[in-house]
Amino acid sequence: ETGVTQTPRHLVMGMTNKKSLKCEQHLGHNAMYWYKQSAKKPLELMFVYSLEERVENNSVPSRFSPECPNSSHLFLHLHTLQPEDSALYLCASSHLGAVQETQYFGPGTRLLVL
Amino acid sequence: AQTVTQSQPEMSVQEAETVTLSCTYDTSESDYYLFWYKQPPSRQMILVIRQEAYKQQNATENRFSVNFQKAAKSFSLKISDSQLGDAAMYFCAYRTEQGGSEKLVFGKGTKLTVNP
Repeated sequence: ETGVTQTPRHLVMGMTNKKSLKCEQHLGHNAMYWYKQSAKKPLELMFVYSLEERVENNSVPSRFSPECPNSSHLFLHLHTLQPEDSALYLCASSHLGAVQETQYFGPGTRLLVL
Repeated sequence: AQTVTQSQPEMSVQEAETVTLSCTYDTSESDYYLFWYKQPPSRQMILVIRQEAYKQQNATENRFSVNFQKAAKSFSLKISDSQLGDAAMYFCAYRTEQGGSEKLVFGKGTKLTVNP
């Protein structure tokens, strides 16, 4: 699946670092999503962007800051993270209003916070 | 709020056999979509099959089919002729729309092992 790409695939950072996760979709979609996947927990929706406007923020701590400069790119800026933020971060995209609207996922970024 | 429950944390099946993964959900909506996603060890979340609630016919996709029971709010996945490559985590998901955006609610997943 190369429709949604994410970089980096793996990231190790200290609690004082600042890093960014990148997601790019090549499917012509108009909505993008960030999910967090922790061990033993269901996927948690973090942010939703529709037509480049943020429409949902599920009470995510401010140390996570999303950015959607255009419909193809989505970033997640990270700063002063905590060890409990270690998880797999998945990006997804979809075409809102499509007859068979479905979210397609990227391969994820495995984040470890030390 | 919608919830999705997968009651089987782990399942195993012999290669070439059939296995059914369970999923139930709770909603007050009448029109919605349900999905099964597969997440192999590579961690890539891959769409397996989708079902529109307004369709009575169960969706099928090659060896994958669902048993959709709307009244019972049940959406099980059947994998026929299981292959080693089917080994993965399987997630059931419910799609809802809120505030003009689409949202997926996921179950906790079922880990499927395929034994040779």
